[in-house]
Amino acid sequence: KQEVTQIPAALSVPEGENLVLNCSFTDSAIYNLQWFRQDPGKGLTSLLLIQSSQREQTSGRLNASLDKSSGRSTLYIAASQPGDSATYLCAVRYNAGNNRKLIWGLGTSLAVNP
Amino acid sequence: SAVISQKPSRDICQRGTSLTIQCQVDSQVTMMFWYRQQPGQSLTLIATANQGSEATYESGFVIDKFPISRPNLTFSTLTVSNMSPEDSSIYLCSVDTIHANYGYTFGSGTRLTVV
Repeated sequence: KQEVTQIPAALSVPEGENLVLNCSFTDSAIYNLQWFRQDPGKGLTSLLLIQSSQREQTSGRLNASLDKSSGRSTLYIAASQPGDSATYLCAVRYNAGNNRKLIWGLGTSLAVNP
Repeated sequence: SAVISQKPSRDICQRGTSLTIQCQVDSQVTMMFWYRQQPGQSLTLIATANQGSEATYESGFVIDKFPISRPNLTFSTLTVSNMSPEDSSIYLCSVDTIHANYGYTFGSGTRLTVV
């Protein structure tokens, strides 16, 4: 069964810290992996997309890595700010073409305290 | 990447009534996806909406409860019918812009409370 697990479920840090969010998946034959941010009661904002052939992607203070062989991805947030407080979701896509289902983790709820 | 306008952003509805959620995309897309996110849970795919054909529903979701329209390549609606408090969730539409290397894009969500 294809499953995605995110650890930790919740994280509270002081402003300025560098932090790592983890995403693991049971089936390593992924097509791509995408990290999203969700603010309370809101929709999802795409942060980074990593194709199966890539090892990492960077956007500003965010860096996402992918290790297919170990079934893991990490989202690194540098110099965290209170505005980073949100839930971070990891989603894995296994098939190209018409089967476009995403397998979702439950998310990591992040609180950055001023 | 595509921009999706979803409305309403939130609503409080009486049980037994229906609510229609709309999503408008700023570009033509083949597939649109409708998700439900129950409180404290991750996203669950309800159905895939294809233009010109009936929507494809996931296990546990039926057309009578969640009818979907897809009249053209930029617009879709999801109706939550005969609502009960268990339908209280965030509903999200999404499109896949994978061909542009942007992955999936989501609407801003509809927060539904059924009382």
